[in-house]
Amino acid sequence: QSALTQPASVSGSPGQSITISCTGTSSDVGGYNYVSWYQQHPGKAPKLMIYEVSNRPSGVSNRFSGSKSGNTASLTISGLQAEDEADYYCSSYTSSSRKVFGGGTKLTVL
Amino acid sequence: EVQLVESGGGLVQPGGSLRLSCAASGFTFSSYEMNWVRQAPGKGLEWVSYISSSGSTIYYADSVKGRFTISRDNAKNSLYLQMNSLRAEDTAVYYCARDSSYSYDFDYWGQGTLVTVSS
Repeated sequence: QSALTQPASVSGSPGQSITISCTGTSSDVGGYNYVSWYQQHPGKAPKLMIYEVSNRPSGVSNRFSGSKSGNTASLTISGLQAEDEADYYCSSYTSSSRKVFGGGTKLTVL
Repeated sequence: EVQLVESGGGLVQPGGSLRLSCAASGFTFSSYEMNWVRQAPGKGLEWVSYISSSGSTIYYADSVKGRFTISRDNAKNSLYLQMNSLRAEDTAVYYCARDSSYSYDFDYWGQGTLVTVSS
């Protein structure tokens, strides 16, 4: 199972919006609405930010939103804040009943 | 409060073995599916293994299949990962992560335990 494809880095200024893409295949991202997104600050455990493509867990800011089109899922962060600077990972359920992560995207808030 | 606490990491020689544990609290452990996820130093997340709530269904990543064994003891609220024939590329922080109810995301994570494979 190959890793999902994410850009290595993205950046934006405070208040702006950014979007991180996550590209897979019809056997994972495109085949199921089980894409999730995780935020990881240095030295910390990952935190669930989006589940089932576009749902936010309780307590996650509504500045975070998710979507999917075909084999590509996207995470959008609006109104960028300094504390959003972190690594972001997508994950998907797969046709082999396993899970796969993207390679991760480093978000820099300028 | 949901808590997952990993232990058992450390330094091991190539070819050696190690057993990781994850102690769960704050939820009905026997009702949830569990996973191990690892992260090599400076690298991304890699899903390692899954076990169903009863332990009857298990999956492994190809990179560890035949060398690692996941198990659980619902009476002790604990998840385990037996790692044999360890290689340098198994060096990573190992996290236990809970599957959310009725879905396939990881809603709670432990703080991780570091496994270093080196001579």
